[in-house]
Amino acid sequence: TQLLEQSPQFLSIQEGENLTVYCNSSSVFSSLQWYRQEPGEGPVLLVTVVTGGEVKKLKRLTFQFGDARKDSSLHITAAQPGDTGLYLCAGAGSARQLTFGSGTQLTVLP
Amino acid sequence: GAGVSQSPSNKVTEKGKDVELRCDPISGHTALYWYRQRLGQGLEFLIYFQGNSAPDKSGLPSDRFSAERTGESVSTLTIQRTQQEDSAVYLCASRLDRGSDGYTFGSGTRLTVV
Repeated sequence: TQLLEQSPQFLSIQEGENLTVYCNSSSVFSSLQWYRQEPGEGPVLLVTVVTGGEVKKLKRLTFQFGDARKDSSLHITAAQPGDTGLYLCAGAGSARQLTFGSGTQLTVLP
Repeated sequence: GAGVSQSPSNKVTEKGKDVELRCDPISGHTALYWYRQRLGQGLEFLIYFQGNSAPDKSGLPSDRFSAERTGESVSTLTIQRTQQEDSAVYLCASRLDRGSDGYTFGSGTRLTVV
């Protein structure tokens, strides 16, 4: 069974601060996705990373896929209250469905 | 419609009753997934449909859970003899292809068993 661990589980920061969320596994994934979920809604895809070592930027968000394709990180620069939400990583591996991490609940205080 | 539609959005049921949850995927999406999410947690895989292939039921937690899908359209998730531990948000997602495409999720059905 492929498992994904996310850390931290909860993160509360002030507007303007930077933060990093980690997603780790002992398994190799062919690709990894990051989603953001707001209360009462389903998760929304932010990015897909496929190549080991790949870095993708989406405005103030920077996503990195580890060289061995076992881990990933999400870095947010100058966080804003609108970034508040549950961030989920999800890996595509041997199973036909995505394996989701347990999530990081981010709260950005104004 | 443009997105994945789930109904009902909220369901309160008494312990022991059966419930049926519905998912309308995006037209043309061949893959459909059901996940369960407990409060503030990640997503737990339940079942996966791909075209006319046999569904992957490996995530269903017990024989009280079942799901059907008619062709590449609507899917229903049925929970029989509901228990309090079944209380969760049930999310449906569809995807165009089995590749690296992302899932498009519905808003979920919040099930509360009292």
